[in-house]
Amino acid sequence: ELKVEQNPLFLSMQEGKNYTIYCNYSTTSDRLYWYRQDPGKSLESLFVLLSNGAVKQEGRLMASLDTKARLSTLHITAAVHDLSATYFCAVEFRGSNYKLTFGKGTLLTVNP
Amino acid sequence: NAGVTQTPKFQVLKTGQSMTLQCAQDMNHNSMYWYRQDPGMGLRLIYYSASEGTTDKGEVPNGYNVSRLNKREFSLRLESAAPSQTSVYFCASSHGGQGQPQHFGDGTRLSIL
Repeated sequence: ELKVEQNPLFLSMQEGKNYTIYCNYSTTSDRLYWYRQDPGKSLESLFVLLSNGAVKQEGRLMASLDTKARLSTLHITAAVHDLSATYFCAVEFRGSNYKLTFGKGTLLTVNP
Repeated sequence: NAGVTQTPKFQVLKTGQSMTLQCAQDMNHNSMYWYRQDPGMGLRLIYYSASEGTTDKGEVPNGYNVSRLNKREFSLRLESAAPSQTSVYFCASSHGGQGQPQHFGDGTRLSIL
């Protein structure tokens, strides 16, 4: 079965703190994606991770991929309120014909 | 450049009514997708179209039909709406392959009474 598990599902942080969101998946993946969704809005692509060891950074967010462990992480550095959103990882499993399987999302709230 | 356009943005239906959700993309993408988003469930794939002229079932296809009208347009039809189909529906498109992300529309918020 194709499964994508994110944890935590809810994360409340203080501004200035660091934290990591984890995304585990069940079987071989070709590619992994991270998306951001603001309340009532669409999904915005953040990162595309294409191979083992890939690391991408944009501002205070850094994503990495370990295909052997079937794990991706989204690390938040010195959080600010503007990062409050729901973050989804999505996995393109091998042989899926470009379909994505999404995790349930992590609702991040950054408090002053 | 509009990207992915969905219509309508909001709709209220009565149980048993039918309707079609429209989706169009202007990025010359090969692949198009329909998802539903329910609280705490992430996004679940209803149907997708890997290329013009093809459609396939996703994870939750029951109660839905789709039409890939041409390369730009991909519609989702509810033949006999049920309260369990109350959800937010997202259309997405991508080149399909080469690690290109899917681009999402703004969503259709559908309530079935």
